[in-house]
Amino acid sequence: DTGVSQDPRHKITKRGQNVTFRCDPISEHNRLYWYRQTLGQGPEFLTYFQNEAQLEKSRLLSDRFSAERPKGSFSTLEIQRTEQGDSAMYLCASSGVTGNYGYTFGSGTRLTVV
Amino acid sequence: GDSVTQMEGPVTLSEEAFLTINCTYTATGYPSLFWYVQYPGEGLQLLLKATKADDKGSNKGFEATYRKETTSFHLEKGSVQVSDSAVYFCAVSYSSASKIIFGSGTRLSIRP
Repeated sequence: DTGVSQDPRHKITKRGQNVTFRCDPISEHNRLYWYRQTLGQGPEFLTYFQNEAQLEKSRLLSDRFSAERPKGSFSTLEIQRTEQGDSAMYLCASSGVTGNYGYTFGSGTRLTVV
Repeated sequence: GDSVTQMEGPVTLSEEAFLTINCTYTATGYPSLFWYVQYPGEGLQLLLKATKADDKGSNKGFEATYRKETTSFHLEKGSVQVSDSAVYFCAVSYSSASKIIFGSGTRLSIRP
């Protein structure tokens, strides 16, 4: 297993466009997390899944954001009608059922909204 | 609410100096504590962890001890190297069903 994979690595989009990111977790991990990181800040929690169930969503996740994990394997994060404030690094992580032993993070997708 | 506070950076040290990066957390229950590191151009990596009071996490010469009485998890290294230059994040998880909450990060630069 090569770890957590995220695609694309970079995305530049015009304001108002929709974007979708993909995350492939470590295969035996049943938990998957999305975080957002802006320059000079720590990762901020967005949402997490246990298998295909979305168990928690942050207040940061506005109506324009939606995440899915339809078969309990890969996940997608979609941002509709992007705004300049959405520019950030979007991080995906996965863990086993006991998440408090730490997560494995992917390299992230850097979104730039112009 | 649940949170973690860590020492602001940047921190600049000479090679072989002693390092301490302070971290404190809000005292709710019995959280697990972590230090993550982000090297330039790379993703977040788990550096070390401790899951109960008085545990000491260690890795790559770094250590941190879970101090419940002071709600702290300070990161230390006896002799830093240029290759330790990175951003270090303290983090906490309050239960196995809860997400990890990260501090704002401390940028460390080591001079040769």
